[in-house]
Amino acid sequence: QQPVQSPQAVILREGEDAVINCSSSKALYSVHWYRQKHGEAPVFLMILLKGGEQKGHEKISASFNEKKQQSSLYLTASQLSYSGTYFCGTEAGANNLFFGTGTRLTVIP
Amino acid sequence: GAVVSQHPSWVICKSGTSVKIECRSLDFQATTMFWYRQFPKQSLMLMATSNEGSKATYEQGVEKDKFLINHASLTLSTLTVTSAHPEDSSFYICSEPRGVGYGYTFGSGTRLTVV
Repeated sequence: QQPVQSPQAVILREGEDAVINCSSSKALYSVHWYRQKHGEAPVFLMILLKGGEQKGHEKISASFNEKKQQSSLYLTASQLSYSGTYFCGTEAGANNLFFGTGTRLTVIP
Repeated sequence: GAVVSQHPSWVICKSGTSVKIECRSLDFQATTMFWYRQFPKQSLMLMATSNEGSKATYEQGVEKDKFLINHASLTLSTLTVTSAHPEDSSFYICSEPRGVGYGYTFGSGTRLTVV
């Protein structure tokens, strides 16, 4: 049931943009996005509940294509603080959150 | 903001002993708590769902008798790793749903090392 993310890893220079994709083999009820720093707990970024929904906060946004069972996270003008591993989380039914394979993002000066 | 307190942060135990990990919701009454395990450089894998006042639901491949879950009150869920072995060494983390549209809040995690 684990969603697949791509790319597995990406290195950016400060100010560059990135897109992280999340694909599920099951129909989705919702998609979450989290960022995890090394040795720390994941931190909630945002949740998308409806197909076609797009949402953003500052320079991080996401979209949810319900029909394709996919979601994408967009990072614009990346900052050093964006470094970490990004996970999508999907709920295919009642309240069970399954995490994607993860994308390691490194932002360098 | 929402807070889930998880203890201990790390523990080193001898093979064959048991370890209890606690997750306490400080500002929310959680009827459900999820327990995850994360091996180095891997994703978080859902182990079980803890339900207040009832039996936990375990994911396929997770041994119920080895990973004992108790959720006796709305604010406290515990995971006990029984007869721990080196292969149980991992990062264990709890999380609770915060309602539709609010995502999940995670505890700070427990790094278990079995020697």
